[in-house]
Amino acid sequence: QKEVEQDPGPLSVPEGAIVSLNCTYSNSAFQYFMWYRQYSRKGPELLMYTYSSGNKEDGRFTAQVDKSSKYISLFIRDSQPSDSATYLCAMTKSGGSYIPTFGRGTSLIVHP
Amino acid sequence: DARVTQTPRHKVTEMGQEVTMRCQPILGHNTVFWYRQTMMQGLELLAYFRNRAPLDDSGMPKDRFSAEMPDATLATLKIQPSEPRDSAVYFCASGPDSTGQYFGPGTRLTVT
Repeated sequence: QKEVEQDPGPLSVPEGAIVSLNCTYSNSAFQYFMWYRQYSRKGPELLMYTYSSGNKEDGRFTAQVDKSSKYISLFIRDSQPSDSATYLCAMTKSGGSYIPTFGRGTSLIVHP
Repeated sequence: DARVTQTPRHKVTEMGQEVTMRCQPILGHNTVFWYRQTMMQGLELLAYFRNRAPLDDSGMPKDRFSAEMPDATLATLKIQPSEPRDSAVYFCASGPDSTGQYFGPGTRLTVT
């Protein structure tokens, strides 16, 4: 079992839909959680960063961490075709080397 | 707007040749990472520097790969000799410890 699991998709939704992207993890030592967006032939772009449990909102994006379930989510409201990309989750342990463990990414397609 | 820069953006070379990739991290970031991304393996960590000191290169084939950080503004990744299986996109990323990483645009390497 991998430390971080992420469904590769593709996830196809109509424009305007609420999108839910998820990752599960097995190591309870993870404390810092990140979401990256990667467009085709580009580098990953840091979208959101959260520490420990709870929610964080930034515009149309909300990151949610449930440490009791070892489950993190990224919600995208009012999805746009420009949101079509691969979304990678990543997480690091506290007090350590800060080397992140990445999920494989979920491909999202928002069609007009 | 500070960015990680990488050169070259594309490289096509023949098997057996030396390849050098360069990265300029964001000024003030104390962590630098080299990753390789392929469709099959996703993002693989090759090397990790903190305050210019190499802390982890366990993901790097030691016989042919080397990574250095001669100063705070330059990180290099060398492959000698290159092989067709090294064909991939190589990303450099920098960050301020645990709060996420900022990726460069990548070097797309093709070894024939």
